[in-house]
Parts: sequence; C-alpha cells; structure tokens
Amino acid sequence: KNQVEQSPQSLIILEGKNCTLQCNYTVSPFSNLRWYKQDTGRGPVSLTIMTFSENTKSNGRYTATLDADTKQSSLHITASQLSDSASYICVVSAQQAGTALIFGKGTTLSVSS
Amino acid sequence: DGGITQSPKYLFRKEGQNVTLSCEQNLNHDAMYWYRQDPGQGLRLIYYSQIVNDFQKGDIAEGYSVSREKKESFPLTVTSAQKNPTAFYLCASSKLAGGKETQYFGPGTRLLVL
Repeated sequence: KNQVEQSPQSLIILEGKNCTLQCNYTVSPFSNLRWYKQDTGRGPVSLTIMTFSENTKSNGRYTATLDADTKQSSLHITASQLSDSASYICVVSAQQAGTALIFGKGTTLSVSS
Repeated sequence: DGGITQSPKYLFRKEGQNVTLSCEQNLNHDAMYWYRQDPGQGLRLIYYSQIVNDFQKGDIAEGYSVSREKKESFPLTVTSAQKNPTAFYLCASSKLAGGKETQYFGPGTRLLVL
C-alpha cells in the first residue's frame, strides 16, 4: 500500500534555531517528492520538488534532501523565524494514471520567541 | 494562493441541505482537484477533472458532486448524502493532470454543520 509517514507529528522550537522534519514513504513506482508549507486556515504552498535523481533542493532557508534507496526525505529549516510556524506536508507522487499524489499527515511546527 | 480563488471562506450547512463551494482559477490550467482536510489527517481526494466536461471520482467521492462546464471553474456540491461534511475543503489546479505536475492550492473553504 502506498503510504507517506511524517515525523514528528508536532515540534516546538525557539526562534533562530534549526530543525529537521522527516518523511518516509512506501510509494512505488516513485515519480517525485514535494514539500508543502500550509499556514493555519490557508491552502498549502509548494516549497520544493525532487525527482529520483535529485538528492537535495534548496529554497531560501529551506533545504530538502531525498534518499531514494531508503525512501526517506527530510526538510531542514535554518535560522527559524516566527513566520515558519505552520504545517509542513510531504507529498509523494507515483508513476501512474490519474493524480497519483499521496499526502502525509504533516508536521506542525511552532516557532516561539 | 496564486490565481485560485475559493468562496465562501466559511459555509454553514443545515441538516438535509445541499451546499455548493466555488473554485475559480485564472492560471489557464487544464486540471482541477477537490480535496478534503480533516484534523490530524492527510489531504484526501474527492474529485478531479483533467479537462472541461470530464471528471473522475477520487478516494472519497460519496456524498459529493462536481461539474466542469468551464476551464476556469470547478464547483463542488456537498449533498445531504454526505453525513459528516464538517471539514476544510481545498481546491487545486495544475497545468496538466498527473503526478509530475505541481498543484497550486486555493485558500480553502471551511464547512460547518449547524
């Protein structure tokens, strides 16, 4: 069964600190992996997208890594800001007809001052 | 939210009532999607449309209906058959259908039952 598991479920960090969010998947055949940021009460916004051959992708203070062999991805946030408080969703796409997107449940990050 | 609008932001439904959620996009995207988001769960696909006048059921289509008469619009009707409609509904679009395309999401509509 195609699944995407994220950890931790929630995380609280102090402003200025770094953090890493994890995503493990069992989707096959794999096409790509995306990280989305979702502010409370808003729609998700795409942060990064990685295909099978890409190991890392950066978007400002956000850096995503992908290990296709172990089927793991991480999202590293550097020098966190209060505006980083949001839910971060890992989404894996399978190579098949239709939409073929499998969504993780998300990690809720709270950045405090 | 880039070019996708959803209305209303909040919607209240009475027992036995059908309600319609609006989704409009000006991105010239062919594909549009409706998702349901419940607390502590991942997004679940309700319906999607790859082209005008065509749509397919997603994982949880029961109790919902859609239409795609125009490229820009993909309204979702929550019927009285949907017994647990309270949720956050997200509309999305992509240039083409398929997992390689990035989906862009609207701001969402929160549906509450009175």
